[in-house]
Amino acid sequence: ETGVTQSPTHLIKTRGQQVTLRCSSQSGHNTVSWYQQALGQGPQFIFQYYREEENGRGNFPPRFSGLQFPNYSSELNVNALELDDSALYLCASSLQGRNDEKLFFGSGTQLSVL
Amino acid sequence: SQKIEQNSEALNIQEGKTATLTCNYTNYSPAYLQWYRQDPGRGPVFLLLIRENEKEKRKERLKVTFDTTLKQSLFHITASQPADSATYLCALDRGSGNTGKLIFGQGTTLQVKP
Repeated sequence: ETGVTQSPTHLIKTRGQQVTLRCSSQSGHNTVSWYQQALGQGPQFIFQYYREEENGRGNFPPRFSGLQFPNYSSELNVNALELDDSALYLCASSLQGRNDEKLFFGSGTQLSVL
Repeated sequence: SQKIEQNSEALNIQEGKTATLTCNYTNYSPAYLQWYRQDPGRGPVFLLLIRENEKEKRKERLKVTFDTTLKQSLFHITASQPADSATYLCALDRGSGNTGKLIFGQGTTLQVKP
């Protein structure tokens, strides 16, 4: 177990709705990254949060937004859901500044958009 | 744009044999390359990190090579076991160092038959 927890584990929404996914990072980690993984594909980087600020973003539209809290936990918000948003959403925590930075992933939230 | 390719076809091998997985990348000169294991319905789990100045790295039955001239990494599992059956992902860092913002390949599924 990595110590990274995500909630909920599964979620079903309809097109146009909004969703909030939550992540608690591993103890001692100050950085949270979010990834989207479509079926049969590798994870795609959405964005990273460090010290409560967005610290890099992948090729995702502004309707994907996030937050990081003082305790380093994080939220991913997706507005105006589209069918293609159906995927496994992964949260990964790490410690910024280490030279051998590796990611510790949670088990993900499986989002289905109908 | 940066691109990573892994064998898209599943790899089926007999227990006890060596599994070799390939990761090729283009339009990039990464300082680090990482390998992760992912089981169905779970998040990726970090296995090994290799730096650009390292030709080879080992951990128990795992071995990774990194050829920056060929732009290729090979991942070997020796004396494979059915428990090694999973999807294996290679990943490069999007940043100039080890930022934790990764680009993943699509993964190769390994099936080890008893």
